[in-house]
Amino acid sequence: ILNVEQSPQSLHVQEGDSTNFTCSFPSSNFYALHWYRWETAKSPEALFVMTLNGDEKKKGRISATLNTKEGYSYLYIKGSQPEDSATYLCAFTSGTYKYIFGTGTRLKVLA
Amino acid sequence: DTAVSQTPKYLVTQMGNDKSIKCEQNLGHDTMYWYKQDSKKFLKIMFSYNNKELIINETVPNRFSPKSPDKAHLNLHINSLELGDSAVYFCASSQGLFREYSYEQYFGPGTRLTVT
Repeated sequence: ILNVEQSPQSLHVQEGDSTNFTCSFPSSNFYALHWYRWETAKSPEALFVMTLNGDEKKKGRISATLNTKEGYSYLYIKGSQPEDSATYLCAFTSGTYKYIFGTGTRLKVLA
Repeated sequence: DTAVSQTPKYLVTQMGNDKSIKCEQNLGHDTMYWYKQDSKKFLKIMFSYNNKELIINETVPNRFSPKSPDKAHLNLHINSLELGDSAVYFCASSQGLFREYSYEQYFGPGTRLTVT
């Protein structure tokens, strides 16, 4: 059974704080790791797709790293703003056509 | 211009009925997907079509049947609806099959199905 786990499940941070969360995935048969941002009552929106070990991606204040050998990815948010409040999902794709979402990290940024 | 659209947004129906949810994408993508968001908020893939061909068919009751009349549409038909089918269903599309270096997916707004 392929498992994708995210931690923490939820967190609250103050505006201006930097934060990070983890996505753990199977290290074998890896194809890609996706990060999505999912605001309440909206649909998931793609942030990053990473395919190579050591990949680092950045979009504004949000960045992500990838370690395929040990099976984890970190998502970082620098200087969190209230509009960053959302659920952050990672999804793992394998060579056997599996596309598996994690359970998400619910971030609440307090003004 | 909506990239991935779904209709209806809300669907309330009784057990035993047959219903369809429509999905259309105007992105020129080759691949479309259906996901179910269950009661624990997990997103689980149900089906994937690439150029109108079924690629993924996860363990889904055969009461669920996807239909792709063309590359831009992937409809989901559900027969004999059951209480447990109540969920939010998301359609998505991507440029290519996710296995090909995993193009990002674009999601529709979701359809909340309630079976009473």
